[in-house]
Amino acid sequence: EPEVTQTPSHQVTQMGQEVILRCVPISNHLYFYWYRQILGQKVEFLVSFYNNEISEKSEIFDDQFSVERPDGSNFTLKIRSTKLEDSAMYFCASSLLTKNYGYTFGSGTRLTVV
Amino acid sequence: DQQVKQNSPSLSVQEGRISILNCDYTNSMFDYFLWYKKYPAEGPTFLISISSIKDKNEDGRFTVFLNKSAKHLSLHIVPSQPGDSAVYFCAASAGGAQKLVFGQGTRLTINP
Repeated sequence: EPEVTQTPSHQVTQMGQEVILRCVPISNHLYFYWYRQILGQKVEFLVSFYNNEISEKSEIFDDQFSVERPDGSNFTLKIRSTKLEDSAMYFCASSLLTKNYGYTFGSGTRLTVV
Repeated sequence: DQQVKQNSPSLSVQEGRISILNCDYTNSMFDYFLWYKKYPAEGPTFLISISSIKDKNEDGRFTVFLNKSAKHLSLHIVPSQPGDSAVYFCAASAGGAQKLVFGQGTRLTINP
């Protein structure tokens, strides 16, 4: 079964450093998303991406965050200057059609900012 | 932000019996609802969804019921199996928005 692949599975970074989280969505999917889950809290929407541009973003997704689809297969989330509160599980997801058909999520990248 | 609430953090059910997971929402603009299942160290897996124009949707052992007047939905799993032990999230979306708003999750344990 096709799957969304995220790398790395765990990343530890120092506060203030830039991190790039990588995702390979399912190849024929058109919509791409990032969500995060801080330990013990809800899964929260960050951003959706369609047709090579951001289609929607949350208030969490401030200027420190950016997304890119640099080639036909990768979808990345960059955090420019990490803060302690960015420590979370980051999930990438993709869908062929809109959300109403359910996304396929990756297994997540656990980001730890120290 | 408590737009979607799952008030039971955990639920324990005997194998073979019915599991009922509940979810409440406050935003009357929500018009699409989804349930996801999550195992440890994995991402959420889509289970079943329902549009606000329906009050029931069924897929095998899983049935979702929507009560719009009460702003309440529930997921029924019949019969419950050990492999159903996981965290279950309900999620909702409004209009054409791509964003899903998730509840806190309910940890379901199926006992043999």
